Amino acid sequence: KAGVTQTPRYLIKTRGQQVTLSCSPISGHRSVSWYQQTPGQGLQFLFEYFSETQRNKGNFPGRFSGRQFSNSRSEMNVSTLELGDSALYLCASSLGIAIYNEQFFGPGTRLTVL
Amino acid sequence: GQQLNQSPQSMFIQEGEDVSMNCTSSSIFNTWLWYKQDPGEGPVLLIALYKAGELTSNGRLTAQFGITRKDSFLNISASIPSDVGIYFCAGLPNTGTASKLTFGTGTRLQVTL
Repeated sequence: KAGVTQTPRYLIKTRGQQVTLSCSPISGHRSVSWYQQTPGQGLQFLFEYFSETQRNKGNFPGRFSGRQFSNSRSEMNVSTLELGDSALYLCASSLGIAIYNEQFFGPGTRLTVL
Repeated sequence: GQQLNQSPQSMFIQEGEDVSMNCTSSSIFNTWLWYKQDPGEGPVLLIALYKAGELTSNGRLTAQFGITRKDSFLNISASIPSDVGIYFCAGLPNTGTASKLTFGTGTRLQVTL
């Protein structure tokens, strides 16, 4: 069974630009969560999607948005990029959103903002 | 956002040595998870703990769910070079969804031959 895939793996943008990251969950998984990982803040929760609906959102500004499609694939968008948005963005999928469902992480997208 | 306190921050050990790391929280958790992250990859679940006092092993790895529900421990015995990576603890409360997962600050493990 293929794992969680994220594209692109690496991205370099400049301040003020916007970026879209993509995540394809494991086949059959309907829940996708996004995390931001930085050396200073560690792993921070961004969003959780299930059945095309955002179920939970972390404490991030409105510049961070996302969506989930009917095939469970998900995208996240960051507008008006800031230097501090440089991070590894991880996507995780699970069968459902219930708390006992194991999350499987993708390899991440490394975003560098210059 | 909230983070769990994990220690030590980093460890440099020799191959064959045993490793211990721990994680503490100001909140009570009903589930403790331990992940390992290799360079350029996402975290991979190593061990899951669901009951206070529980001791669970996965090969050379052993983890314990603290009695107070506010801490957890991970031990690696007879370390090998492929143990290199960052180890994260994570806690889940008893209600809510998987998004309630709170991660520790990580322990970076380096193994020298």
